[in-house]
Amino acid sequence: QVQLVDSGGGVVQPGRSLRLSCAASGFTFSTYDMHWVRQAPGKGLEWVAIIWYDASNKYYADSVKGRFTISRDNSKGILYLQINSLRAEDTAMYYCARGSGRQSYGDFFDYWGQGALVTVSS
Amino acid sequence: EIVMTQSPATLSVSPGERATLSCRASESVSSNLAWYQQKPGQAPRLLIYRASSRATGIPARFSGSGSGTDFTLTISSLQSEDFAVYYCQQFNNWTTFGQGTKLEMK
Repeated sequence: QVQLVDSGGGVVQPGRSLRLSCAASGFTFSTYDMHWVRQAPGKGLEWVAIIWYDASNKYYADSVKGRFTISRDNSKGILYLQINSLRAEDTAMYYCARGSGRQSYGDFFDYWGQGALVTVSS
Repeated sequence: EIVMTQSPATLSVSPGERATLSCRASESVSSNLAWYQQKPGQAPRLLIYRASSRATGIPARFSGSGSGTDFTLTISSLQSEDFAVYYCQQFNNWTTFGQGTKLEMK
């Protein structure tokens, strides 16, 4: 069965960096676009980034552009999110999510990881 | 950016009754709309995609309708496990989510 396992969260000081990982199994990872979606405590969902199935394109929400980098290793079935220059407003649960198809500019998410909590605090 | 507005913010319904949740887009999203259910401490779960198609394993009591700017999620006979927060999401132009409707037991 499809499984996405998020890891790498923690408590980080403002200005520092963190890398989140999402290990995928149960499907052909290299044939799906993948996304990161975040949720601040008690708030709604915010799309963060997408990487196409072959890593040929990456797109980001304006709120994270220039500080976040999405990447993937199709040989290992792992999705990454590198977060630099962390700010208090980046405090959130970060979910990886599978897009329904390929080469999309907007998509729905049929499977989600359990989330990795990032807390930015001094 | 397309703004998604859900109403009401909180809906109180008794088990066994029907629940109707609304979602409005600031511009047409065609049928590129999805609904998710989220329970406390859990990741969202896909319920409906392309406005009216049920995701795999979703019970028939969940149905979606609408196109363009106005959409509805209907739960025909509420079960105890259906009390949760529901989000709509447009994916016609990148993607944005509504702010959520909390469905609580009356």
